[in-house]
Amino acid sequence: SQTIHQWPATLVQPVGSPLSLECTVEGTSNPNLYWYRQAAGRGLQLLFYSVGIGQISSEVPQNLSASRPQDRQFILSSKKLLLSDSGFYLCAWSPGQGGDTQYFGPGTRLTVL
Amino acid sequence: RKEVEQDPGPFNVPEGATVAFNCTYSNSASQSFFWYRQDCRKEPKLLMSVYSSGNEDGRFTAQLNRASQYISLLIRDSKLSDSATYLCVPNTGNQFYFGTGTSLTVIP
Repeated sequence: SQTIHQWPATLVQPVGSPLSLECTVEGTSNPNLYWYRQAAGRGLQLLFYSVGIGQISSEVPQNLSASRPQDRQFILSSKKLLLSDSGFYLCAWSPGQGGDTQYFGPGTRLTVL
Repeated sequence: RKEVEQDPGPFNVPEGATVAFNCTYSNSASQSFFWYRQDCRKEPKLLMSVYSSGNEDGRFTAQLNRASQYISLLIRDSKLSDSATYLCVPNTGNQFYFGTGTSLTVIP
């Protein structure tokens, strides 16, 4: 069966510090991978998605970036965090074909102080 | 216009009640549709997929009206454990569009 891992679960970082969040998927090949952010009391905002190694689509201009160095690894990064980067970061995967469902990792709760 | 619109609620219903949530979507090219539930401070989890005019899974019934671009979720015999936020999600190709969700609280 497929599983998706995210770490860390919780993170507190000062403004201006760098960020690296990692997501890995097991039990599947060639997944589509997604990063979402959910601000407190708000809906999910799609940040990036990837249909293959090195292929990243950015949905929202911001100080975040994403990379996919391996088929089942997706990394979200920032060089300098802003207060507005606080939120619940969710990684998700779906089979590499349109129209199938999406499965979420447990998320990383980021607080920028 | 938003991709997905849902009534945010909150819906507060007694145990055993029937409750219905509505959702409209703007992209007529949407191919498939899903309902997720999200518990407080947790990740969304798939509740139901809706591939044709609708389907039923136990106490949950989802209906799809492509002509009106409208999806609904009906929950019968509500349980305390049904308390959560329900997210409507149309899918177009590789992209999934999440509504802001409808909050449900089932009261003893």
